[in-house]
Amino acid sequence: TQLLEQSPQFLSIQEGENLTVYCNSSSVFSSLQWYRQEPGEGPVLLVTVVTGGEVKKLKRLTFQFGDARKDSSLHITAAQPGDTGLYLCAGLYTGNQFYFGTGTSLTVIP
Amino acid sequence: DAGVIQSPRHEVTEMGQEVTLRCKPISGHNSLFWYRQTMMRGLELLIYFNNNVPIDDSGMPEDRFSAKMPNASFSTLKIQPSEPRDSAVYFCASSHNRQGEQYFGPGTRLTVT
Repeated sequence: TQLLEQSPQFLSIQEGENLTVYCNSSSVFSSLQWYRQEPGEGPVLLVTVVTGGEVKKLKRLTFQFGDARKDSSLHITAAQPGDTGLYLCAGLYTGNQFYFGTGTSLTVIP
Repeated sequence: DAGVIQSPRHEVTEMGQEVTLRCKPISGHNSLFWYRQTMMRGLELLIYFNNNVPIDDSGMPEDRFSAKMPNASFSTLKIQPSEPRDSAVYFCASSHNRQGEQYFGPGTRLTVT
């Protein structure tokens, strides 16, 4: 059973375009993290959100945590080739069960 | 700090052989995680240690898999006997605690023929 569904699964866009990826669950998260993974490497943490409705910005990346703490989104403005990678959300549930989402593979074409 | 260290980086073995993957977590981190990543199933948590004690091994696929953490600076994941369906990238990660940022190693790419 996959507790965290991400969409889209694959995304290929031109440099300069904007994009949004989504992370959804039927369960409530205690907190949620977003990671980026580049080919041949392990995931690297981008941000942690803990409060419903929270919005965090990291340069051109904007992360939002749903009011009910069941979903999250990542918006990238003016995507660059360096943004290419696999984006993973990871949710911490009550009982300290920690699960990674299915992932969104992003390719930014120069 | 050198980060999480994993060895080997690549392992090719024949079905039925024993495979041992190794991990050195970041010094001072109390939690250690083993993950398996495949295209079909994504990133799956296999087992989680806290202060060298296995806390949650519900993700270990079957008895062929075993993990140990004899001390705070070393952990192993063993597969015996290995099968082709075990082919995947295996990651080790460590963190200060269960809820904190996880620092991943570079992974071990395992191919079982």
